[in-house]
Order: sequence, then C-alpha cells, then structure tokens
Amino acid sequence: GEDVEQSLFLSVREGDSSVINCTYTDSSSTYLYWYKQEPGAGLQLLTYIFSNMDMKQDQRLTVLLNKKDKHLSLRIADTQTGDSAIYFCAEKGTAAGNKLTFGGGTRVLVKP
Amino acid sequence: DTAVSQTPKYLVTQMGNDKSIKCEQNLGHDTMYWYKQDSKKFLKIMFSYNNKELIINETVPNRFSPKSPDKAHLNLHINSLELGDSAVYFCASSQGAQRDYGYTFGSGTRLTVV
Repeated sequence: GEDVEQSLFLSVREGDSSVINCTYTDSSSTYLYWYKQEPGAGLQLLTYIFSNMDMKQDQRLTVLLNKKDKHLSLRIADTQTGDSAIYFCAEKGTAAGNKLTFGGGTRVLVKP
Repeated sequence: DTAVSQTPKYLVTQMGNDKSIKCEQNLGHDTMYWYKQDSKKFLKIMFSYNNKELIINETVPNRFSPKSPDKAHLNLHINSLELGDSAVYFCASSQGAQRDYGYTFGSGTRLTVV
C-alpha cells in the first residue's frame, strides 16, 4: 500500500532557508503535492510536481523530486514568521478516485 | 465566496448521539472527499464520491454514512458517536479530469465527543 513519511518538526531562524523532506513508497505516484496548514484552518495547496519532473520553482518555493529514491523536498527561501505552520506532503497514485495519501506533517517553527 | 464550505465549524456532543456534518462546494468539481485528522494531525481518507457515486470507502466503521444528493454536496452522518470519533473532519473537492490539481479543502469541522 501507499505510505508517506515526513520528519515531525523543523525549527528555523527568520531569513534562513527551510528544507522539509518527504519519502513515499508508491512507485506509481503520478503527482506529488505540498500543502500548508495554519492553526485552526484547512489545508492550502502550495505547489505540486509531476512525477516525470525533478525540480519545480515557484517564487520562494523549490520542489525537488528524486524519483529513484522516492524522495521529495520543499525548500522555502527567506523563511518568514508567517511560514510557521504544518506542511504536508501528499502523493497521488493511479488508484481509482484520485486518492491523495498524506504524510504525517512537519511542524515548522520560524524564530525571529 | 467560500469554495468549499463545511458546517458546523465546531460540534460538541455526548457519546451515543447521532450527528451530521454538511459540505458544499461551488467550484464545479465532480469529486468530493471526507478526511479525518486526528489529534496528532495525521490525515486519513474516509470516503470519496464522484458525481454522486461512491468511489472510495476506506476501512471506516459503518456508523459513518456519507450521502451525496448532488455533485456539489457531500454530507457525513455519524451514528452512536464514540469518544474515539473526536477529530477534525475535512471535506475536500477536486476536478477528477484535471490530473495535476490537488484538492481544495474546507476549513474543517472540529468534533468533540464527551
């Protein structure tokens, strides 16, 4: 079955870069996603990458995908206090229903 | 105008009661989902409907019954509530044909069973 793993916690100083890592097991993954959840809110889609790409950049966000190792990372440049949140990685396989399987989330704390 | 809206936002109820959570999306999406987020923030899919047809039904107690009267609505009814049902329930929608888009989530319903 599908499994997605993330580290639990990341602490970073304001202005530094943050890197959040994710590994997954489903070799049929087609798309991989990063979502952000702020306290008391739903999940907000940040960015996504198709499985035949190895990098995608979107303003301060850079996604790197190593398909061979099934490893996904999200780099946030110039991290701000507003970036403090829980970040979820998710993968979409080829199963019916467009099911997304989520990792357990990485809590990012940005210190001033 | 909220894209995916859930009601209520908070729900506190006693064990054994029956309750419903409602979800509506105005995005014209054809697929809707219910996810459960536990106290450790772990998200697990419960159900998925595509154009009112049940597509995904994960291992969920049959006390949970989804209902989709049309493709813009997906409600969740829970019978005989238990303490372990306390969680945040998220509704989401997606356009199935657009393979690269993820889900649009509602803001969640925090259910507390006492």
